[in-house]
Amino acid sequence: ETGVTQSPTHLIKTRGQQVTLRCSSQSGHNTVSWYQQALGQGPQFIFQYYREEENGRGNFPPRFSGLQFPNYSSELNVNALELDDSALYLCASSRPGQRRWDTEAFFGQGTRLTVV
Amino acid sequence: AQTVTQSQPEMSVQEAETVTLSCTYDTSESNYYLFWYKQPPSRQMILVIRQEAYKQQNATENRFSVNFQKAAKSFSLKISDSQLGDTAMYFCAFLAGGTSYGKLTFGQGTILTVHP
Repeated sequence: ETGVTQSPTHLIKTRGQQVTLRCSSQSGHNTVSWYQQALGQGPQFIFQYYREEENGRGNFPPRFSGLQFPNYSSELNVNALELDDSALYLCASSRPGQRRWDTEAFFGQGTRLTVV
Repeated sequence: AQTVTQSQPEMSVQEAETVTLSCTYDTSESNYYLFWYKQPPSRQMILVIRQEAYKQQNATENRFSVNFQKAAKSFSLKISDSQLGDTAMYFCAFLAGGTSYGKLTFGQGTILTVHP
């Protein structure tokens, strides 16, 4: 177990609705990254937050937005849900050190979002 | 931009035998890192092994080892003495040097089944 928790574990939404997914990072970690993993595919990077600021974004539209709070927990918000947004959403927390790659990214168990 | 390709959608192996999973990547970066992650049915992504591109020596972690061929842009994972608990989806992932640890580019994955 990594200490990264995501909620909820499963969610069903209707097309056009909005959804908020939550991630509680591992203690001491100040960086949270979000990934979308479609069924049978590898995760795709959505964006990353470092010390409450967005620190890079993948090829996702603006209706995917996020927040990071002072305690480094994070939210992923998706507006105007589409059927193709159905996926497993993973968050990973890390704490970049002097040599950034030294710090392992710890993943949560994900939120399975189904859009109908 | 970089790409990661895993050409084996599924592999199977008998318990106690050895299996090799393939991965190729494409990048113009000179400084980068490569990883193998395991995703069991519990959905949590677990780091198996990592390799720094500037190191010629192949990484080893207990029963897991890699064959890193930098010129060929190939990064395969060898699992020795396979165990039933190794059954999972395996992802090869790339991280460009200088970027924050969490911004990983994943391959499509290989489903590994270990048979008793």
